[in-house]
Amino acid sequence: GQQVMQIPQYQHVQEGEDFTTYCNSSTTLSNIQWYKQRPGGHPVFLIQLVKSGEVKKQKRLTFQFGEAKKNSSLHITATQTTDVGTYFCAGIVGGSARQLTFGSGTQLTVLP
Amino acid sequence: DAGITQSPRHKVTETGTPVTLRCHQTENHRYMYWYRQDPGHGLRLIHYSYGVKDTDKGEVSDGYSVSRSKTEDFLLTLESATSSQTSVYFCAISAKGTGPLGYGYTFGSGTRLTVV
Repeated sequence: GQQVMQIPQYQHVQEGEDFTTYCNSSTTLSNIQWYKQRPGGHPVFLIQLVKSGEVKKQKRLTFQFGEAKKNSSLHITATQTTDVGTYFCAGIVGGSARQLTFGSGTQLTVLP
Repeated sequence: DAGITQSPRHKVTETGTPVTLRCHQTENHRYMYWYRQDPGHGLRLIHYSYGVKDTDKGEVSDGYSVSRSKTEDFLLTLESATSSQTSVYFCAISAKGTGPLGYGYTFGSGTRLTVV
């Protein structure tokens, strides 16, 4: 079953508003990755976080890794229509270190 | 992304027939993965490969087999397709695999498979 939970499943925002998606795991993650998938497209790697409490920024996107390394968040400031898509987190949970488990994603709609 | 291609892009097949999907990379990456994507489930790992002839099962491997006889090609076979295997299939590659020392995956454009 899904071991990396992501909320919310859907989010509609007005252009210019902020957006946040959250990723939670019941077990400690060695690292977490974030991907973006545009409608009809394929997932594209955004960033990887490794250290406890790590914060990284990419222009209007801010990524955080929790102190306990069990949760992460992606925050977008002042959304634009180009931000539309589904955002996925992914991490290694249990078992083989070779398997990356994806969250179910947050589908972002930006209304102009 | 350049460097990874999937074929075919779309396929409709009948229940009970075998189907093979191909993933081809020109990056010489060691690690290759097959995922399926279904609404509400995100991406689920089917099988992966960590080298030529080295493969292992993922979360949803039942009904699927894989082969990797060359670095550049990773084939996914549905032995006898069922309607539950209707999905979008993505191949991904990685230079250093998964983990803190790994890099993000590069995904292919996907294959939309419909089993009728």
